[in-house]
Amino acid sequence: AQSVTQPDIHITVSEGASLELRCNYSYGATPYLFWYVQSPGQGLQLLLKYFSGDTLVQGIKGFEAEFKRSQSSFNLRKPSVHWSDAAEYFCATGPLTGGGNKLTFGTGTQLKVEL
Amino acid sequence: DVKVTQSSRYLVKRTGEKVFLECVQDMDHENMFWYRQDPGLGLRLIYFSYDVKMKEKGDIPEGYSVSREKKERFSLILESASTNQTSMYLCASSLASGERYEQYFGPGTRLTVT
Repeated sequence: AQSVTQPDIHITVSEGASLELRCNYSYGATPYLFWYVQSPGQGLQLLLKYFSGDTLVQGIKGFEAEFKRSQSSFNLRKPSVHWSDAAEYFCATGPLTGGGNKLTFGTGTQLKVEL
Repeated sequence: DVKVTQSSRYLVKRTGEKVFLECVQDMDHENMFWYRQDPGLGLRLIYFSYDVKMKEKGDIPEGYSVSREKKERFSLILESASTNQTSMYLCASSLASGERYEQYFGPGTRLTVT
């Protein structure tokens, strides 16, 4: 069965610093990969997605992620963090075929931004 | 923009009550999902539906049932609420084809069972 691991439960960065959130997936074939963000008290918003093609994908709010097959990773990055980026971030994966369109989510990384 | 709405943001119920959580989407999506979110556990799928009157169990269906009588509406039912069902419940929807795995989420319902 596919799985997603987000090894960092909490991360604290200073405003203006760069950010990298880690995500590793376990799946035989190339999966669909997603990053979602959840602001306090809100639902999840899609930041970006990878299906195929260029392994560096751009998303909203200045985020990007790079798919690395050799490392089974899909890490989220932002060159300069803003205080409003404080939120919980979820990586998710879905199978290329079948699976009933279901996604498997990681346990999330809580980002704190120090001013 | 896709809009997914949930009937309540906050709900407090007593143990043993029957609880209904409603979800409505306005983009004619075929698929709808109910998740439960708990700290440190991420999102866990309770049930999903890929068509009207069709449903499939997710990872943690015990103690829950669902109903989908109309395409835009997906209800989660707690037959007899228990304190261990205190949680955040998230509804989502997606298309069945094309970029079918992209799910759109509602704002969530925080349920407390006392």
